[in-house]
Amino acid sequence: GNSVTQMEGPVTLSEEAFLTINCTYTATGYPSLFWYVQYPGEGLQLLLKATKADDKGSNKGFEATYRKETTSFHLEKGSVQVSDSAVYFCALRADSWGKLQFGAGTQVVVTP
Amino acid sequence: DAGVTQSPTHLIKTRGQQVTLRCSPKSGHDTVSWYQQALGQGPQFIFQYYEEEERQRGNFPDRFSGHQFPNYSSELNVNALLLGDSALYLCASSSRLAGGQETQYFGPGTRLLVL
Repeated sequence: GNSVTQMEGPVTLSEEAFLTINCTYTATGYPSLFWYVQYPGEGLQLLLKATKADDKGSNKGFEATYRKETTSFHLEKGSVQVSDSAVYFCALRADSWGKLQFGAGTQVVVTP
Repeated sequence: DAGVTQSPTHLIKTRGQQVTLRCSPKSGHDTVSWYQQALGQGPQFIFQYYEEEERQRGNFPDRFSGHQFPNYSSELNVNALLLGDSALYLCASSSRLAGGQETQYFGPGTRLLVL
């Protein structure tokens, strides 16, 4: 079956540090890939997405590239802020009805 | 433009009781999906409704049921509550008319505690 694996947290960084969160997936066909972010006490917000191989999704300084050869969709940001502290979820959608399958989430803590 | 709204925000029930959670989709959206997020875990897909019919279902027992109304809003019902049903229940909406690559937008969730 389809699955998403992402690196365990928490990831603790200083402000202005470089952030990478690894995400790999297993799926048949050509899934769409997503990163969602969840701030404390809130629902999920779409951060970025990519729908085909080699696409790069980007938003608010975050980027991720859909790598079919390595079945990966790693999230990166060049300079994090305290406000980026949240839980980040990698997800895939493998069928047209839109069911999302999520990884377990990675907590990121950014300190001043 | 209102986003996805859910009610109530919090709910406390006891084992064996029944609960109904409500969701209004984002304006222009016709498809509603429900997810369960246990503490410290990623959301798990429960089911999806489109045109008032359940279109997909995840690995959840029949105690979990739903409904979609003509105005696209939706309800999630859980019968015979168990302690393990304590979780954040998330509703997500999307537009099937937008094509097969539509994006799901999530509401703030309903936090259910079963005692």
